[in-house]
Amino acid sequence: QVQLVESGGGVVQPGRSLRLSCAASGFSFSDYGMHWVRQAPGKGLEWVAVVWNDGSLKYYADSVEGRFIISRDNSNNTLYLQMNSLRVEDTAMYYCETEGGDWGQGTLVTVSS
Amino acid sequence: IVMTQSPATLSVSPGERATLSCRASQSILRNLTWYQQRPGRSPRLLIYDASTRATGIPARFSGSGSGTEFTLAISSLQSEDFAAYYCQQYNNWPLSFGQGTRLEI
Repeated sequence: QVQLVESGGGVVQPGRSLRLSCAASGFSFSDYGMHWVRQAPGKGLEWVAVVWNDGSLKYYADSVEGRFIISRDNSNNTLYLQMNSLRVEDTAMYYCETEGGDWGQGTLVTVSS
Repeated sequence: IVMTQSPATLSVSPGERATLSCRASQSILRNLTWYQQRPGRSPRLLIYDASTRATGIPARFSGSGSGTEFTLAISSLQSEDFAAYYCQQYNNWPLSFGQGTRLEI
């Protein structure tokens, strides 16, 4: 079955960088677009970014455009989110999601001085 | 596109029917999904294309609507249905979620 395992979260100071990973298994990863979605503590869902199955196209939420970079390695079935210039308001649980609607368990990012 | 869900909280008794609404700020055709999120859990896809149930979703969940007005109906509520529900449009980039409806007993 589909399995998505996020990692790379942690506590980081404002202005610093962090890279999240999402290891995928149980499906043909290179056939699916992939999303990152985040959820601040006690808040709703916020879509972050998408990458096409072949990596050819990417879109971002306005709130992260120019700071975050989504990428993927189809040879290793892994999705990434490079987060730069982090802000306190980026504090959230970060989920990866397949375009088919399967979700990982999330990885928590806390931006705090 | 701004997605607005109502009500923010809905109190219903087990066995009753719940109706949740989602409105888009402009037409999104039928490009809408509904997700369920139980406390402490990841979201789960319920409905896509406004009315198509995802694999394994019980028939008591039904979606309807097009354009700017959408509805998620849950008939005969079970205990496991008490959760948060989110709509999301995928007609335009960037994608956007509604703020959610919390369904409580």
